[in-house]
Amino acid sequence: NAGVMQNPRHLVRRRGQEARLRCSPMKGHSHVYWYRQLPEEGLKFMVYLQKENIIDESGMPKERFSAEFPKEGPSILRIQQVVRGDSAAYFCASSTYGTSGTDTQYFGPGTRLTVL
Amino acid sequence: TQLLEQSPQFLSIQEGENLTVYCNSSSVFSSLQWYRQEPGEGPVLLVTVVTGGEVKKLKRLTFQFGDARKDSSLHITAAQPGDTGLYLCAGARGAQKLVFGQGTRLTINP
Repeated sequence: NAGVMQNPRHLVRRRGQEARLRCSPMKGHSHVYWYRQLPEEGLKFMVYLQKENIIDESGMPKERFSAEFPKEGPSILRIQQVVRGDSAAYFCASSTYGTSGTDTQYFGPGTRLTVL
Repeated sequence: TQLLEQSPQFLSIQEGENLTVYCNSSSVFSSLQWYRQEPGEGPVLLVTVVTGGEVKKLKRLTFQFGDARKDSSLHITAAQPGDTGLYLCAGARGAQKLVFGQGTRLTINP
């Protein structure tokens, strides 16, 4: 049973470019969460999505950041016009809550974004 | 606002010693999860505790959820160098976001 998959694992962008981060949840999971981890800090929630719906985006910066989880395909976290402060590790997690009742979230390996 | 206070943030002990990491909050959680994270990797789930007062054991690791479901602890017996890593606690309220503690960076010296 494959775990949560994220790609790319490493992404380098210059200031002003766009970054697209992809996440494929575990098989059977319909809930996807994105978190950001700055160097030497804990993980901070960004957004929670179900298929074709954004459930909670209270942790997303108001500008330049967007997320989607289409009916088909992976979830995408998109950062437009990246700045150096966007450099961080971005983690995706998935869960089955609503089916089995568990809250447990399983994490992918992360995408490490470096903005030059 | 940090809702989960994890302590200590750094801990360095000798092989064979015991240790406890604490995770405290003023908020009630429906469950609490403990993860371990290696450098360059994502958090790996160790355990989920759901019931107040619940105790779970994973080999030399013992996890406890407080009676009021506001706090938790991780106790490691006879620590080994392989236990070195970053330990994270995270509280959940239903299907909502996880709230993470700051993490405990544990170093076990041979």
